Amino acid sequence: KQEVTQIPAALSVPEGENLVLNCSFTDSAIYNLQWFRQDPGKGLTSLLLIQSSQREQTSGRLNASLDKSSGRSTLYIAASQPGDSATYLCAVWGNTPLVFGKGTRLSVIA
Amino acid sequence: EPEVTQTPSHQVTQMGQEVILRCVPISNHLYFYWYRQILGQKVEFLVSFYNNEISEKSEIFDDQFSVERPDGSNFTLKIRSTKLEDSAMYFCASSGTTSTDTQYFGPGTRLTVL
Repeated sequence: KQEVTQIPAALSVPEGENLVLNCSFTDSAIYNLQWFRQDPGKGLTSLLLIQSSQREQTSGRLNASLDKSSGRSTLYIAASQPGDSATYLCAVWGNTPLVFGKGTRLSVIA
Repeated sequence: EPEVTQTPSHQVTQMGQEVILRCVPISNHLYFYWYRQILGQKVEFLVSFYNNEISEKSEIFDDQFSVERPDGSNFTLKIRSTKLEDSAMYFCASSGTTSTDTQYFGPGTRLTVL
């Protein structure tokens, strides 16, 4: 059974800092990995999708990498801003549609 | 930009009552999903739907749950006899032309069972 773990559970950084969020998964037989953002009490906003054949995807200040063989993905956020404060979720599509991690709660302090 | 919408945003019901949660997926999408998130826990997959039938379901999706696409735009989740443990945020999602395309999520319905 696929398990997705995200470390750290919470992170607080000063504005302007570059940061990395980590995601690991136990079964490397995946079709893709998706990163989401969730604001308190809100839905999930898709940030990046990486297909299993890809190594990374970029969108603006966000860069996500995927190492399928080691079961790891990272989300890199450059020049963090207070508006980036949210919970970031990693999810993998393997044998079932989207197995989620518990997320990393990010606070960017102005 | 097209988005997934869900109604109601918050539903309060008594234990044992039936509830129907409604979703309008993005109009040209073919794959539809329901997920739930119990407060403080992970988002969990419930069911996927394609070509007017269930394509996959999780262990959570037992006989008290059902899904339907009653017309060309709506996608519903029915819980026949709600239990206290059904209290959660329910998210609808849709994806485009292949099952592993990006999934776009709605804002969710918060279900509270008393």
